[in-house]
Amino acid sequence: KAGVTQTPRYLIKTRGQQVTLSCSPISGHRSVSWYQQTPGQGLQFLFEYFSETQRNKGNFPGRFSGRQFSNSRSEMNVSTLELGDSALYLCASSFSQGRYEQYFGPGTRLTVT
Amino acid sequence: GESVGLHLPTLSVQEGDNSIINCAYSNSASDYFIWYKQESGKGPQFIIDIRSNMDKRQGQRVTVLLNKTVKHLSLQIAATQPGDSAVYFCAETPKAAGNKLTFGGGTRVLVKP
Repeated sequence: KAGVTQTPRYLIKTRGQQVTLSCSPISGHRSVSWYQQTPGQGLQFLFEYFSETQRNKGNFPGRFSGRQFSNSRSEMNVSTLELGDSALYLCASSFSQGRYEQYFGPGTRLTVT
Repeated sequence: GESVGLHLPTLSVQEGDNSIINCAYSNSASDYFIWYKQESGKGPQFIIDIRSNMDKRQGQRVTVLLNKTVKHLSLQIAATQPGDSAVYFCAETPKAAGNKLTFGGGTRVLVKP
């Protein structure tokens, strides 16, 4: 069974631009969560989507948004990029909400210059 | 499970010895706990999980211990191998939080040959 895939793997953007990252969950998984990983803050939860609805949101500004499609694929968008948005963005998929194992993708490395 | 981030504690262990990685979590409402392993350039990989109605769970070469009284979680790796070198994270979540995981700061494990 294929794992979680994320595209692109690497991205360089300029301050003020916007970016869209994509995540394809494991086949059959309906829950997708996004995390930001930085050396300073570690792994932080951004949001979770299940059945095309945002179910949980972390403490990030409104510049961070996401959506989920009917095939469970998810995208996250960051508008008006700041230098501090440079991070590894990780997507995790799970069969459903609740106590199911979450499997992470390899991440998208975003660098903002 | 507060993120410490930048300065990861490091555990150096001789190949073949047992490793013990500790984690203190902060939310007394958390009832589900997971250990992840992250190798350089990869996303976190699920190792083992435990629910709050248990105090011990064993997997292949790994054992997780949960002490709810002092809010402490540990991961024991038996016969540590070079492939176990990685950063290990504990994560916690309360039932009301869905799939939102709160991660600890991580511990780097270095296996010496």
